[in-house]
Amino acid sequence: AQKITQTQPGMFVQEKEAVTLDCTYDTSDPSYGLFWYKQPSSGEMIFLIYQGSYDQQNATEGRYSLNFQKARKSANLVISASQLGDSAMYFCAMREGRNPWTGNQFYFGTGTSLTVIP
Amino acid sequence: GAGVSQTPSNKVTEKGKYVELRCDPISGHTALYWYRQSLGQGPEFLIYFQGTGAADDSGLPNDRFFAVRPEGSVSTLKIQRTERGDSAVYLCASSFPPPSPLHFGNGTRLTVT
Repeated sequence: AQKITQTQPGMFVQEKEAVTLDCTYDTSDPSYGLFWYKQPSSGEMIFLIYQGSYDQQNATEGRYSLNFQKARKSANLVISASQLGDSAMYFCAMREGRNPWTGNQFYFGTGTSLTVIP
Repeated sequence: GAGVSQTPSNKVTEKGKYVELRCDPISGHTALYWYRQSLGQGPEFLIYFQGTGAADDSGLPNDRFFAVRPEGSVSTLKIQRTERGDSAVYLCASSFPPPSPLHFGNGTRLTVT
């Protein structure tokens, strides 16, 4: 089974509008972290936002917020007031466990390509 | 340096040759990861180091791939007898213990001709 599922290969949004990028995850570990990364055409992976499995409130970072629905195992990224520079690939990732001395790899989804239309 | 550094940024090699890809993580980061990313795909896990030891190498596709981190800092990913299917961008990332995020380098684009 896929650990991270991103079902939207491509999304379009009008500049200044909000957009939601979907992510569902699969784990039996009660401790985990969820991450979103942005990858522009230049190739670098940029960390955007983090949500811990025990966090009570949804994470927010500037125009980015994470709609965390634990029972549904979803962690959707919401980008408000989209800008042309937001056009990029977006990856959802999960890291299981809290023990740094055991293998706790990051699992990535297949990504969503976001295009912001002027 | 301020970020994760990977060298070379591009590597073109002939099928059957041996290559080494280098990663210099952020100073003080104990965890180091190697990922491979093919065009249009998400990063695929290869190996993870905690300090000098490989804590999880379950993602290495076969025994042609090997990675080391002898002093717990710089890591080298080694690929023997390269094949055209090895062509991809190889990403290195480092991290503090959880819940810290991964900090990625800019990758090495490997092309096997």
